[in-house]
Amino acid sequence: AQSVTQLGSHVSVSEGALVLLRCNYSSSVPPYLFWYVQYPNQGLQLLLKYTSAATLVKGINGFEAEFKKSETSFHLTKPSAHMSDAAEYFCARGNNRLAFGKGNQVVVIP
Amino acid sequence: DSGVTQTPKHLITATGQRVTLRCSPRSGDLSVYWYQQSLDQGLQFLIQYYNGEERAKGNILERFSAQQFPDLHSELNLSSLELGDSALYFCASSVGTGETNQPQHFGDGTRLSIL
Repeated sequence: AQSVTQLGSHVSVSEGALVLLRCNYSSSVPPYLFWYVQYPNQGLQLLLKYTSAATLVKGINGFEAEFKKSETSFHLTKPSAHMSDAAEYFCARGNNRLAFGKGNQVVVIP
Repeated sequence: DSGVTQTPKHLITATGQRVTLRCSPRSGDLSVYWYQQSLDQGLQFLIQYYNGEERAKGNILERFSAQQFPDLHSELNLSSLELGDSALYFCASSVGTGETNQPQHFGDGTRLSIL
């Protein structure tokens, strides 16, 4: 089955440091790709989505993701972590039936 | 606020029972999706309805069923509940059929606990 892989279930980052969350997809055909964030006791909120118009996608809250076909990757970054970024982040692919990665729990250390 | 409303927020019941989860999509959205989030399986797609018709089916158990009504709200029915059905159930909605990269917008979920 076509899927996405997120490595490292827990990611600790210092406040002000770079946030880097990795996502790799399994397919030779560029899929529809998304990053979602889940705050405690809340649903998933869309951070950004890949469109074929640009390989660098800007999302909300200062996040961006770069699509690299050669590496089948869609990694999420934020230059400077804030305490409010502590949440779980999911990479997903697909159109109607989204397939999610296992998620990255981000902890921001003051 | 995503505009997707799920009720109830929490549900506690016993094995063998039947429950109904309800979802109201965002205004204007015709597709409703159901997902299950559990610690061991992660987030899994269950089923999609588009304008009242079943559109796509995932790993949904036979004990589970769903429908979408003319006013576009949807219900997920879970019967003969087992301990393993304890999970967070999300509803999402989107404008079209989901065949493009239109994002899905998620509700806050219903947490189901089976005792």
